[in-house]
Amino acid sequence: EPEVTQTPSHQVTQMGQEVILRCVPISNHLYFYWYRQILGQKVEFLVSFYNNEISEKSEIFDDQFSVERPDGSNFTLKIRSTKLEDSAMYFCASRKNEKLFFGSGTQLSVL
Amino acid sequence: DQQVKQNSPSLSVQEGRISILNCDYTNSMFDYFLWYKKYPAEGPTFLISISSIKDKNEDGRFTVFLNKSAKHLSLHIVPSQPGDSAVYFCAASPKSYSGNTPLVFGKGTRLSVIA
Repeated sequence: EPEVTQTPSHQVTQMGQEVILRCVPISNHLYFYWYRQILGQKVEFLVSFYNNEISEKSEIFDDQFSVERPDGSNFTLKIRSTKLEDSAMYFCASRKNEKLFFGSGTQLSVL
Repeated sequence: DQQVKQNSPSLSVQEGRISILNCDYTNSMFDYFLWYKKYPAEGPTFLISISSIKDKNEDGRFTVFLNKSAKHLSLHIVPSQPGDSAVYFCAASPKSYSGNTPLVFGKGTRLSVIA
């Protein structure tokens, strides 16, 4: 069964550094998302992406965040200058019909 | 601002018995609800959904009940099996669910099914 894949599974970075989280959505899906979950808290929506542009974003998704689909398969989330509070599990998802299919997540630790 | 609330962070149930996971929501614009299950080191996986035109949806051992007047939904698992042990997330979406509409998730309930 096709699945959403995310790399890396763990990323450790220093505060202020840039990180890029990578995702390969399911190939025939059209809608892509990033969510995150800070330890012990709810899964939070960051951004949705359709037709090569952002369709919706949350308050969390400020100027430090950006998304790209550079080559038609990869879907990346970039955090320009990481903060301690960016430490979380980041989930990529793609959608067909009403269902979201999630990747296994990237655990980001900002030190 | 918790629009979707799962007030029980954890639940333990004996194998073979019924597991009932609860979810409350505050936004009356929500009209499509989903349950996701998450194992450690994996992403959430879709389990079952219900739209607001129904009050019950059943899929095998899993049944979701929706009480719109109380803004409450519940997931019933009967009979519970050890493999059901996971974190269960309730999620909701506003009217006219489309690809651009983000799901709003609760904090999750960790279910432990004891053999």
